[in-house]
Amino acid sequence: QVQLVESGGGVVQPGRSLRLSCAPSGFTFGNYAMHWVRQTPGKGLQWVSLISYDGTTEYNPDSVKGRFTISRDNSKNTLFLQMNNVRAEDTAVYYCAKERVAFSVTWSMYQWGQGTLVTVSS
Amino acid sequence: NLILTQPHSVSESPGKTVTISCTGSSASITTNYVQWYQQRPGSAPTVVIYEDNQRPSGVPDRFSGSIDYSSNSASLTISGLKTEDESHYYCQSYDSSNHVVFGGGTKLTVL
Repeated sequence: QVQLVESGGGVVQPGRSLRLSCAPSGFTFGNYAMHWVRQTPGKGLQWVSLISYDGTTEYNPDSVKGRFTISRDNSKNTLFLQMNNVRAEDTAVYYCAKERVAFSVTWSMYQWGQGTLVTVSS
Repeated sequence: NLILTQPHSVSESPGKTVTISCTGSSASITTNYVQWYQQRPGSAPTVVIYEDNQRPSGVPDRFSGSIDYSSNSASLTISGLKTEDESHYYCQSYDSSNHVVFGGGTKLTVL
């Protein structure tokens, strides 16, 4: 049974940094591309980043480009999101999500974690 | 860039059928696959349709997806509505820049 458990959320001041982690289980982590998706309170979903199964390729939207970095350690079964120079508008629940097909990118989120809340506030 | 537009809310009675639309902007929604996610209050999203019309195991066949090429839109249809279907539903695809795009979400009320 696939499980994804996010951690690392909390309150952070504007301009500071935070690193989120995602601990997977129930599947071979190193075989699957992974996403980060966020949801602002009471609002919709926004894609944050994608990393290939081997960590060699990543994609992210302009809203976080240059500030957020997705990475993974397949030897330690962990996905990361490094968030630098955070802004108030980065306040959201951050979900990690798994791709459906191994060794491929289908641009879909087949399984999701329960999320971790990041609040940017002074 | 692709923009996906959904109705803000829909409502229907138990046992009836409801269709939620997801209309693409100037970019064609039919170029890439569309997924649909269900999100109950306080829970993470779960996929109910992938690759336009495929159902994951465990999703009832009351849920179906389709593409209308003439209107550049995707649809999620739920038949035999149950109160447990009351949720937010989001469509999702990706654009030519390899960016994932979500619709704004539709709140389904079953009353």
